[in-house]
Amino acid sequence: DAGVIQSPRHEVTEMGQEVTLRCKPISGHNSLFWYRQTMMRGLELLIYFNNNVPIDDSGMPEDRFSAKMPNASFSTLKIQPSEPRDSAVYFCASSLEGTRWGEQFFGPGTRLTVL
Amino acid sequence: DAKTTQPNSMESNEEEPVHLPCNHSTISGTDYIHWYRQLPSQGPEYVIHGLTSNVNNRMASLAIAEDRKSSTLILHRATLRDAAVYYCILTAGGTSYGKLTFGQGTILTVHP
Repeated sequence: DAGVIQSPRHEVTEMGQEVTLRCKPISGHNSLFWYRQTMMRGLELLIYFNNNVPIDDSGMPEDRFSAKMPNASFSTLKIQPSEPRDSAVYFCASSLEGTRWGEQFFGPGTRLTVL
Repeated sequence: DAKTTQPNSMESNEEEPVHLPCNHSTISGTDYIHWYRQLPSQGPEYVIHGLTSNVNNRMASLAIAEDRKSSTLILHRATLRDAAVYYCILTAGGTSYGKLTFGQGTILTVHP
C-alpha cells in the first residue's frame, strides 16, 4: 500500500505566482482532508471532501485558496496569487468513512516557501 | 467542538512507561477520543481512539475516565522513536466525517 501521495514535496516560489499542490488518497478511501501547519498556528484543517464533494471549506483562509477533487483518486489545492504568509507545510489526509471512526492517514506533506 | 487540554511537554526515559494526560471536561456523549502523534518532519499518524471503554492496540493503551472528562494515553515502554508531539482530539459522531481539530499537543522527549 503506497499510502497518501503528495507532490511536490518541496516548492519554492515567488510572491504572486500560482501554486498547485497535489494529493492522491489511499485507494478506496472516500474522505479527503487538506491541512496546513505553521509554527504560529499549528495544524489547521482547510477543507475536506466526502465522495469527491466539498463538505466544509470554512478553514480556507481566503479566496486566493481553492481546492478541487475531480475524482476519487486525485485532489488539488491551489493558491493564486501566493503570498509569503502562505509559507507552511501542507498535508493531505484520507480516511474510509464508517470504519475506525476518524482514523486519517496523512501524506508526507508539501513544504511551501513563498519568497 | 469540545476542547481538550494537554500539558505542553513531558519527559521520559527509554524503556519506562509514559502516561500522557488529556482533559476534555466538555465532551459530549457521542464524541470519540482520538490520539495522533507527529514525529519530526512527518505527517501526523493515528495512535488510538475510544469512546467509553479502555482500548489497547500494538502501539499504546487508552484509559478513559468513568465520567469521560479525561483520558490518558499510555506508552508501555518508551523508545527513542516515540519522541513526538502527541495530540488528543475529540471528534463528533454522526456526519462529521471524522473531522480533526488539532490543538498544540504534548511534546514528548525520551531520554536514552
